[in-house]
Amino acid sequence: EVQVVESGGGSVQTGGSLRLSCVASGFTFSSYAMNWVRQAPGKGLEWISYISSDSSIIYYGDSVKGRFTVSRDNAKNSLQLQMNSLSADDTAVYYCAASSSWFGGWYFDLWGRGTLVTVSS
Amino acid sequence: DIQLTQSPSFLSASLGDRVTITCRASQGIGSYLAWYQQKPGKAPKLLIYAASTLQSGVPSRFSGSGSETEFTLAISSLQPEDFATYYCQRLKSYPPFTFGGGTKVEIK
Repeated sequence: EVQVVESGGGSVQTGGSLRLSCVASGFTFSSYAMNWVRQAPGKGLEWISYISSDSSIIYYGDSVKGRFTVSRDNAKNSLQLQMNSLSADDTAVYYCAASSSWFGGWYFDLWGRGTLVTVSS
Repeated sequence: DIQLTQSPSFLSASLGDRVTITCRASQGIGSYLAWYQQKPGKAPKLLIYAASTLQSGVPSRFSGSGSETEFTLAISSLQPEDFATYYCQRLKSYPPFTFGGGTKVEIK
């Protein structure tokens, strides 16, 4: 089955750190760019990070730049998101999403079920 | 940066109704638009990309149209499983990969 499965979410105190993982199966992970997208409770979708298939290109959204670090291990079909200096605004479900390109524009065609991160004082 | 504005933000419809959702871009974006469906507690699902290309496995009652600044997602005959929130997204080669604000479709 083609899927990505996130893990690592949980409760953390303000200022703390958390590391999310996403494991892929059923497709050639090393050929796909990957993303992290989050959704705060009752809110819309917010893209937060992109990593190219070979890790040569990495982007972050302004809200997480300097605090979050994305990485991948193609040998293990895995994607990670290291989250530091967490605040209540980071409380959200975090989704891992594989992206495909159409004439240079990226769209997200495979999503995981998400993992919930709750930041509280 | 280019903004995407969806309308309406909420709509109430009956089974069998034809439903249309609009996504307006603040500047022309060609056909660089995708649509996603999200059900409560579930991950988003890609429905359409390149404004009108149906993703594999998506029912043909879904269709996308438009270009440049105005795009439409249509559901020809609303089914029980279609009650969800729908998001548009601009396809870009560089960030931010922004989503529209969403349109929630509920049962009348």
